Amino acid sequence: EDKVVQSPLSLVVHEGDTVTLNCSYEVTNFRSLLWYKQEKKAPTFLFMLTSSGIEKKSGRLSSILDKKELFSILNITATQTGDSAVYLCAANNNAGNMLTFGGGTRLMVKP
Amino acid sequence: DAGITQSPRHKVTETGTPVTLRCHQTENHRYMYWYRQDPGHGLRLIHYSYGVKDTDKGEVSDGYSVSRSKTEDFLLTLESATSSQTSVYFCATKGAPETYEQYFGPGTRLTVT
Repeated sequence: EDKVVQSPLSLVVHEGDTVTLNCSYEVTNFRSLLWYKQEKKAPTFLFMLTSSGIEKKSGRLSSILDKKELFSILNITATQTGDSAVYLCAANNNAGNMLTFGGGTRLMVKP
Repeated sequence: DAGITQSPRHKVTETGTPVTLRCHQTENHRYMYWYRQDPGHGLRLIHYSYGVKDTDKGEVSDGYSVSRSKTEDFLLTLESATSSQTSVYFCATKGAPETYEQYFGPGTRLTVT
């Protein structure tokens, strides 16, 4: 059975802190690892990673994949209150047509 | 994203009644998905479609059926709603087979009393 596990479950930080969110996966026919941000609505797509060791960056967010150790991390530097959300990771399997999601990490950034 | 709408956005229904949720997309995406989201479980796949009239089961398909008679519409039916089906339901779409990212609709909050 495919499995994606995220840690920590929740995190409270202050503005300006740097956070690291973790995602480990066990998925047959793995194709890619995706990160989403979910505020009080639908998940919005952040990153997709397919190759080990290549960092993807978007502003203060960055992510990297390790296909040997089967994990990914999402880093957020200089956090802002607008970063408060649930961050979901998902592993793509079955020729890329299905996603298995982790339970999410709830991040709260305090002023 | 992907011009996805869901209807209704909120629904309260009684145990034992049938319920149909609709997902409509305007991007001509081939793949469409229904997920449910519950506290502590993240997003779980119910059913998905890889083309008109082509559907398959996901992880939590018991008690649900789907239909896709047109590219743009994907219907999720609860034949006889139960309290355990109280959840937030999200529709998602994906374009070509070689793409991986899915885009989500706004969600439907369903309460079964």
